[in-house]
Amino acid sequence: DAGITQSPRHKVTETGTPVTLRCHQTENHRYMYWYRQDPGHGLRLIHYSYGVKDTDKGEVSDGYSVSRSKTEDFLLTLESATSSQTSVYFCAISGTSGGYPYNEQFFGPGTRLTVL
Amino acid sequence: DAKTTQPNSMESNEEEPVHLPCNHSTISGTDYIHWYRQLPSQGPEYVIHGLTSNVNNRMASLAIAEDRKSSTLILHRATLRDAAVYYCILRDGSGGGADGLTFGKGTHLIIQP
Repeated sequence: DAGITQSPRHKVTETGTPVTLRCHQTENHRYMYWYRQDPGHGLRLIHYSYGVKDTDKGEVSDGYSVSRSKTEDFLLTLESATSSQTSVYFCAISGTSGGYPYNEQFFGPGTRLTVL
Repeated sequence: DAKTTQPNSMESNEEEPVHLPCNHSTISGTDYIHWYRQLPSQGPEYVIHGLTSNVNNRMASLAIAEDRKSSTLILHRATLRDAAVYYCILRDGSGGGADGLTFGKGTHLIIQP
């Protein structure tokens, strides 16, 4: 299994509080991603990173910010959590090799966040 | 990314082959076809990908129609562990490689013992 950990694995918080989720990898992969998954839906991309300090927005980035100060860590922050951000959050990593741009993505175990 | 269409659910028996269809009629010439699956309470995992030719790996086979407007993921001998949601995803190979995956709702595969 790819070395990806997410912390915390479960969190309950209240509306209006800041929350930071951490994704840590030991694979030295260049690309890292944050997705959210809601009941009855596939995963949706929040933000992604293509290198240290290089990030970009995904499909559902409103209300979220990210930071990547070193290769192994990608942080997702909810500045002021809302109930609509209750979800399961998945981190993923991917690298490149052999000139093929889309190597497989490896996903972490997920963080279940509940905002009351 | 181009859209894909998959059946909401399929049911099969253990130890029998399973054919999971995916329609992608608006696929472009540079789109790769990827399949991921998500086991209960886990993150998705990569299954297989292809461009034009059929592909095989230890997990599955991918059969791609000649016009590339559809594809089929084949599990040769399903086990109970194959019960999962299977996602068919198109990725534009002309891009830089950093973009995330665009997931639809996938096909919920049920395996009966």
